Amino acid sequence: ETGVTQTPRHLVMGMTNKKSLKCEQHLGHNAMYWYKQSAKKPLELMFVYSLEERVENNSVPSRFSPECPNSSHLFLHLHTLQPEDSALYLCASSHVSANEQFFGPGTRLTVL
Amino acid sequence: GESVGLHLPTLSVQEGDNSIINCAYSNSASDYFIWYKQESGKGPQFIIDIRSNMDKRQGQRVTVLLNKTVKHLSLQIAATQPGDSAVYFCAENLQAGGTSYGKLTFGQGTILTVHP
Repeated sequence: ETGVTQTPRHLVMGMTNKKSLKCEQHLGHNAMYWYKQSAKKPLELMFVYSLEERVENNSVPSRFSPECPNSSHLFLHLHTLQPEDSALYLCASSHVSANEQFFGPGTRLTVL
Repeated sequence: GESVGLHLPTLSVQEGDNSIINCAYSNSASDYFIWYKQESGKGPQFIIDIRSNMDKRQGQRVTVLLNKTVKHLSLQIAATQPGDSAVYFCAENLQAGGTSYGKLTFGQGTILTVHP
């Protein structure tokens, strides 16, 4: 719908698991973002990639590891997460220096 | 620190009424604001934006008003429909300092419920 897809849509994992979230954009954008959306909290910016280079790491714990192999794909690698990491993880993309960001549908993550 | 916040967490209206959703911001240097709509199970969807050199901007059934004097932003939805039921977020776009990307700071969100 928005040109930004995310997989999986739902993920349940244990604290010792390793998993990855995938985001793909079909809009020709060159900046991509990861956000965390928790209940009763504003969307929190986690990482920003601009022209495939990480330009923002918003004090995110090292158990979250982003990867941007090209301008169309963005991954978030997860390992040894905590239950408080359960949230909706949203990917967005934009043109560099553009104001409007286009969001994917999110991955609903539950950490047991 | 600087933040963007919403006055009301919930708003309930009847179908056909006009809705007004408010947002306060604290960064007087902000030069761009965006309203997003998020329906259940979906990511935020762009509704309308406004630059700080404007006071008002109109879209289809939506109007955004910006009052820089009191640092207040509002979204007006005319003839609200059940399909407008969603969470609405205002966001402040900080591109100061020569960043090469948009850095959005979001408010908490207002839940709009439209009753038939």
